[in-house]
Amino acid sequence: EIVLTQSPGTLSLSPGERATLSCRASQSVSSSYLAWYQQKPGQAPRLLIYGASSRATGIPDRFSGSGSGTDFTLTISRLEPEDFAVYYCQQYSSSLYTFGQGTKLEIK
Amino acid sequence: QVQLVESGGGVVQPGRSLRLSCAASGFTFSGYGMHWVRQAPGKGLEWVALIWYDGSNKYYGDSVKGRFTISRDNSKNTLYLQMNSLRAGDTAVYYCARDWEAVGTFDYWGQGTLVTVSS
Repeated sequence: EIVLTQSPGTLSLSPGERATLSCRASQSVSSSYLAWYQQKPGQAPRLLIYGASSRATGIPDRFSGSGSGTDFTLTISRLEPEDFAVYYCQQYSSSLYTFGQGTKLEIK
Repeated sequence: QVQLVESGGGVVQPGRSLRLSCAASGFTFSGYGMHWVRQAPGKGLEWVALIWYDGSNKYYGDSVKGRFTISRDNSKNTLYLQMNSLRAGDTAVYYCARDWEAVGTFDYWGQGTLVTVSS
């Protein structure tokens, strides 16, 4: 099973700042099968990024994904108040799906 | 628009069973694989199970294998999760989610149903 480790656990930033979230895999992940989700309190997760770097429908272009192999990054270029939430990375391999433990993005 | 509505959650004693349902609308249900994903209170996301669009193949996470069964009724546009031998560690919000097979992701999610396993 591929384990995903996200860092940092908590990121404290101010609106307007740039956020960089990391997701590291225990073994190589196909870029086609790496995704990022946003989850706000009391809500279901929402797909942000698929295929490591493609934005899902309706996702603002301040969100971008990059990376390959075992290291992936979600970047939010300029934080808006509605971006403060928990972010999860997720991978698919051999009919199994795993999530990272999440990064909480909080207002500083 | 795509809608997924879970039901069937509640409080159940350890060792008992419960069946969850997920009613789908707004898309051709029989053309998509479907998942269950759960989230324990205050914790992260855990994938539970996948069923192919036609029910021909099913896959499970290690923590539920042998105890949970995923199924579907394409004539009713409904996904199910039969949960047996429930444990305290199964306490979670259970989400159904649509499979985006080409990229191995979950593109639409329901709002979830809470299952509490407690005596």
